[in-house]
Amino acid sequence: GAVVSQHPSWVICKSGTSVKIECRSLDFQATTMFWYRQFPKQSLMLMATSNEGSKATYEQGVEKDKFLINHASLTLSTLTVTSAHPEDSSFYICSAKSGTGVWFNQPQHFGDGTRLSIL
Amino acid sequence: QKEVEQNSGPLSVPEGAIASLNCTYSDRGSQSFFWYRQYSGKSPELIMFIYSNGDKEDGRFTAQLNKASQYVSLLIRDSQPSDSATYLCAVKKSRTNAGKSTFGDGTTLTVKP
Repeated sequence: GAVVSQHPSWVICKSGTSVKIECRSLDFQATTMFWYRQFPKQSLMLMATSNEGSKATYEQGVEKDKFLINHASLTLSTLTVTSAHPEDSSFYICSAKSGTGVWFNQPQHFGDGTRLSIL
Repeated sequence: QKEVEQNSGPLSVPEGAIASLNCTYSDRGSQSFFWYRQYSGKSPELIMFIYSNGDKEDGRFTAQLNKASQYVSLLIRDSQPSDSATYLCAVKKSRTNAGKSTFGDGTTLTVKP
């Protein structure tokens, strides 16, 4: 149980392109999803918290107009990197938390990640 | 001071030995604690979680929690080369803040054959 699917797994595109990444919870409803970025050999960096039916909460220093997040349903959140540039190249990982059970027993389940390369 | 601290390592143990990974946290009100394993180039995967003081065992893995000392550890018995990865400690503080977990930077473990 608690499977999170992320698509695509790998994207290579030209500078200036916008890229959309999808994150789906396959066997549970995710009221909250999280988007992380990770550079090689560095730690996870939380970018934003995505809440179903409301605006995402962005971490300090993350440009909300650059990284558009939409959480339109209880099973789908999308991250769009707008006008991507080489410095946006990174490993983007989504994570979802189920809404059932007591809150402190709810781990985050991660998707497989999307490796984004901007040329 | 970071909210969740882990030794970055690398921690190197011989195959068959016990690997001990440690994590300290700063918020005394933290409620639950999670261990994730992340292989190079892959996303984190949940190993186990603990929220009561004491030990919790799952196969070769044992999580140990001491809230008084604000310390949580993960023991890996009979370590295998396939256990070589980065281990992330995550702490959940409260039901608010979207139930977000705060992650440590991870400890890299190498198990040598």
